[in-house]
Amino acid sequence: SQQGEEDPQALSIQEGENATMNCSYKTSINNLQWYRQNSGRGLVHLILIRSNEREKHSGRLRVTLDTSKKSSSLLITASRAADTASYFCATDLSGGFKTIFGAGTRLFVKA
Amino acid sequence: SAVISQKPSRDICQRGTSLTIQCQVDSQVTMMFWYRQQPGQSLTLIATANQGSEATYESGFVIDKFPISRPNLTFSTLTVSNMSPEDSSIYLCSAQGTGPTGELFFGEGSRLTVL
Repeated sequence: SQQGEEDPQALSIQEGENATMNCSYKTSINNLQWYRQNSGRGLVHLILIRSNEREKHSGRLRVTLDTSKKSSSLLITASRAADTASYFCATDLSGGFKTIFGAGTRLFVKA
Repeated sequence: SAVISQKPSRDICQRGTSLTIQCQVDSQVTMMFWYRQQPGQSLTLIATANQGSEATYESGFVIDKFPISRPNLTFSTLTVSNMSPEDSSIYLCSAQGTGPTGELFFGEGSRLTVL
């Protein structure tokens, strides 16, 4: 079953703009991860944020986590056409070993 | 990191037949998982492939329909049995890294079309 809900479902922006995607989840987690999937390809891990962290950066990516609201956001700054992909949040449930994926956001960056 | 090879990458199958998907990891990993992804949709966990023992299936998935093998720490197979058009999907193998991040590595997926 899916743990996370993401919004927006789809996002279209111009190159250079920032893209923000949000994820909400239902149960307690150990950590939350974001993945990218290019069309027809497997998923690539982007960043992980632990339940005791509030913000994390990696290059043009910034992830926030609010455990009180059970939500996370992924910000991609200065987007590029190559960022066009689907982005999924994924949660590792407390006490478990499996990773559950959210519904995903389709990002389209226009050159 | 881990590199995961899956085959076949795609196949067209007839209703009622079975197909086995192979997943090879280039290093030993503890956890391996199989996911299903309908086109344009998210990933749904089918099962955790346990080395040397029966796989752990998620709700809605059963061993008779999706038998899984994991004979060692680098290899697993998923069989989709008695296929119907509803089984048309992308099947993804993943492995959990041994580093502190716990990230998952994915194969490129196997796209099955059942006629």
